[in-house]
Amino acid sequence: GEDVEQSLFLSVREGDSSVINCTYTDSSSTYLYWYKQEPGAGLQLLTYIFSNMDMKQDQRLTVLLNKKDKHLSLRIADTQTGDSAIYFCAESIEGNKLVFGAGTILRVKS
Amino acid sequence: NAGVTQTPKFQVLKTGQSMTLQCAQDMNHNSMYWYRQDPGMGLRLIYYSASEGTTDKGEVPNGYNVSRLNKREFSLRLESAAPSQTSVYFCASSEGRREKLFFGSGTQLSVL
Repeated sequence: GEDVEQSLFLSVREGDSSVINCTYTDSSSTYLYWYKQEPGAGLQLLTYIFSNMDMKQDQRLTVLLNKKDKHLSLRIADTQTGDSAIYFCAESIEGNKLVFGAGTILRVKS
Repeated sequence: NAGVTQTPKFQVLKTGQSMTLQCAQDMNHNSMYWYRQDPGMGLRLIYYSASEGTTDKGEVPNGYNVSRLNKREFSLRLESAAPSQTSVYFCASSEGRREKLFFGSGTQLSVL
């Protein structure tokens, strides 16, 4: 079945880069997404990448996709305390569904 | 800009009670979804509605029913609540299939 895996926790210092990793299983995924969840709030779409792309950059965010290894990463440059949140990786699969990972808690120390 | 609105934000139920979670979106989206979020398990899809008039089961539908009342509204009903249904529930919508989702702010439900 479909499965998306992420590491559970990442701690970085303010100003450093953060890299959050994700692996997925469905090779037919057309889109892969990164969502951010702040405390007490719903998920907000951060960025997404189409499966025929290797990289997408959006200001401080860089998404890298290794389709051969089914590996997705999100790099946040110059991480700020406001970036502290839970980050979810998700893949789109057949049947009108997104499958989410369990989320990575990012803690930014000032 | 309201986006996706869920009510209520918090609810406490006793085992066996029933309740309906309401969701409405004002983005004219075709598809709507109900997810539950449990610690360490990410989001799991309960039910979805690809378009007005259709509903389909997701990964964890047991104990729930849904109604797509019109294009804007998609409700989730617990007929006889159980402690295993204690969770945070999120409604979401998207323009079409496999499109990016827009989420509501969630309903925290506790079943005692």
